[in-house]
Amino acid sequence: QVQLVQSGAEVKKPGASVNVSCKTSGYTLSSYYIHWVRQAPGLGLEWMGMVNPSVGTTTYAQKFQGRVTLTRDTSTRIFYMEMSSLTSEDTAVYYCTRSPRLDAAMSTFDYWGQGTLVTVSS
Amino acid sequence: SSELTQDPAVSVALGQTVRLTCQGDSLRNYYATWYQQKPGQAPRLVIYNTANRPSGTPDRFSGSSSGNTASLTLTGAQAEDEADYYCNSRDISGNHVVFGGGTKLTVL
Repeated sequence: QVQLVQSGAEVKKPGASVNVSCKTSGYTLSSYYIHWVRQAPGLGLEWMGMVNPSVGTTTYAQKFQGRVTLTRDTSTRIFYMEMSSLTSEDTAVYYCTRSPRLDAAMSTFDYWGQGTLVTVSS
Repeated sequence: SSELTQDPAVSVALGQTVRLTCQGDSLRNYYATWYQQKPGQAPRLVIYNTANRPSGTPDRFSGSSSGNTASLTLTGAQAEDEADYYCNSRDISGNHVVFGGGTKLTVL
């Protein structure tokens, strides 16, 4: 069965970086993009960016360009989201999710990780 | 600000029908997708490609679109349908994904 399993909760100080991982299984890796979505407490979903697992190319939301780096390790099927220069406004649950590698389905997120809470506090 | 606009809150009486809307220019060119999210849970896909139900979505959920507005209709609302509902799509450039702000659905 398809699974996306994320790393555990993190507590970081302002200015630090965080790295969240997403281990995938149960499907053909090259057939799906991996996206990252975050949700601040009490607020809505926010798309951060995506990675093409076959070639490693990435697309970022303008808001996160330059501060977020998405990578993948195809040998372990693990995807990573690194965010730098954290502030309290980055306190949120971060999700990985997948969509089919088809233009028409790029925004169809059919399986999600369980979420990783990142808390930024001094 | 979100490029997809949803009503922040909607209520429906138990067993009645309600329509949630999602408005944005990109919906003229790209499919809408709908997600249900309950407290403490990850979002769950309920409608894709504007009107298709994945396995596991009850047939009381249906989707449609007209012009720049996509709709999620719930026919015969149940107590377990109380949740936040989000739409998403590609943005106007087609290169990114954008979410609506979400609608909190209350079943009375």
